[in-house]
Amino acid sequence: KAGVTQTPRYLIKTRGQQVTLSCSPISGHRSVSWYQQTPGQGLQFLFEYFSETQRNKGNFPGRFSGRQFSNSRSEMNVSTLELGDSALYLCASSTGQGGNQPQHFGDGTRLSIL
Amino acid sequence: QQPVQSPQAVILREGEDAVINCSSSKALYSVHWYRQKHGEAPVFLMILLKGGEQKGHEKISASFNEKKQQSSLYLTASQLSYSGTYFCGTEVMYGGATNKLIFGTGTLLAVQP
Repeated sequence: KAGVTQTPRYLIKTRGQQVTLSCSPISGHRSVSWYQQTPGQGLQFLFEYFSETQRNKGNFPGRFSGRQFSNSRSEMNVSTLELGDSALYLCASSTGQGGNQPQHFGDGTRLSIL
Repeated sequence: QQPVQSPQAVILREGEDAVINCSSSKALYSVHWYRQKHGEAPVFLMILLKGGEQKGHEKISASFNEKKQQSSLYLTASQLSYSGTYFCGTEVMYGGATNKLIFGTGTLLAVQP
C-alpha cells in the first residue's frame, strides 16, 4: 500500500506570493489533516478535512486555507506569504471513522520564504 | 492547550531505560505517541484511550492516567534505533471524538553505543 504523498518536497517563495501544497492520502483514507512544524513551535494543527468538508480548524490566520477533493486528495493554500511561514508542512491521513485513529504522515513540504 | 512534555531531552546508553511524560490541562479523550527521526516523517507508535489503558509496542509501552490527564511513554533496554524526537498528541474531550490532535513540543532522545 502506498503511503501519504506530498508534493512538492521543497519550495522557495518570496514574501507576498502565494503557494499551494498537495497531499495524496493512503488509499481508502478519508481524513486528511495538515500540520505546520517549526523548531520553536513543534507540530501545530492547521485543519482537518473529511469527505470534502473542513471538520476541524486550528488557530491560524485566514491566509491559510485548504480543500479536499472527492478522491480524498487535499490541497493547502497560503496567500500573502510572510517570513514566519517558513516551515515544514506535514499532512497526515487516517480512516476518519471518528477519533482514535492513527495518523499516517507524509514526508512533508519544506517551504522557505525569502 | 498544548500538552507539556518532559524531559525536553534525554541521552541514554544502549540498554538503559527512559520515561517520557505528557501532561494536559484539558480532559483528554485519547493520547497518541509518535516518533520522528531527523529528516523523516513522524511515525505512529500507539494510541491510548481514556480508562487508564496501557499498551505496548516492542519494548516501548505507555500508560494513560485519565484523572491526572497524563500519559507516560516507557522505553526499556533502549536500542540505537530508538533515537529520535518523541511527540505526544492529545485529543481533547469535547463533543465526542475528533481527529484534531494537539501535539506537545517533543522530547529529543539520543541513544549512544
